[in-house]
Amino acid sequence: GQSLEQPSEVTAVEGAIVQINCTYQTSGFYGLSWYQQHDGGAPTFLSYNALDGLEETGRFSSFLSRSDSYGYLLLQELQMKDSASYFCAHGNTGKLIFGQGTTLQVKP
Amino acid sequence: KAGVTQTPRYLIKTRGQQVTLSCSPISGHRSVSWYQQTPGQGLQFLFEYFSETQRNKGNFPGRFSGRQFSNSRSEMNVSTLELGDSALYLCASSEQGTSNQPQHFGDGTRLSIL
Repeated sequence: GQSLEQPSEVTAVEGAIVQINCTYQTSGFYGLSWYQQHDGGAPTFLSYNALDGLEETGRFSSFLSRSDSYGYLLLQELQMKDSASYFCAHGNTGKLIFGQGTTLQVKP
Repeated sequence: KAGVTQTPRYLIKTRGQQVTLSCSPISGHRSVSWYQQTPGQGLQFLFEYFSETQRNKGNFPGRFSGRQFSNSRSEMNVSTLELGDSALYLCASSEQGTSNQPQHFGDGTRLSIL
């Protein structure tokens, strides 16, 4: 089967750096995506890694190691508005399998 | 460009009834996917439509069905509603549904079953 594991909660302070890990088991690999969802809101796309290495988009970076079936999302210069749930996801042809989500709480 | 639009935003039904939810994708997007989100099970894939054909299906009972129209708008239907069907139903669209294309989500329909 396919599964993605990520921590359920992470807490950090404003201005800090936080890393959210994701390990996966899949029958076929189509890249790893990350989505952010604020309470009561829609998930929004953050990043996608098809190949090994780091992808940087502003304060957010995502890393992938296909040999380790592992990826992470790195959030720098944390802001209060970054408090949200973060999901890693994998899939193709419109079918995404999501991890259970990591709730990030940013404290002042 | 307008985003993904889902209607209605909130819905209250009773057990045994049926419900139809609607999704209008971003203009030009041909792939529409549906997800169910609950606190216990998280985000689970229901099905995906592309060019009016169901291309992919998740592990949900046959009570859950959908369709897509020629303008890419999609509907999902749940028949014989059960208490466990209470959830946020999210629709997402992308151009082709390939893995390197982000899915754009609507705000969802929150369905409550009494």
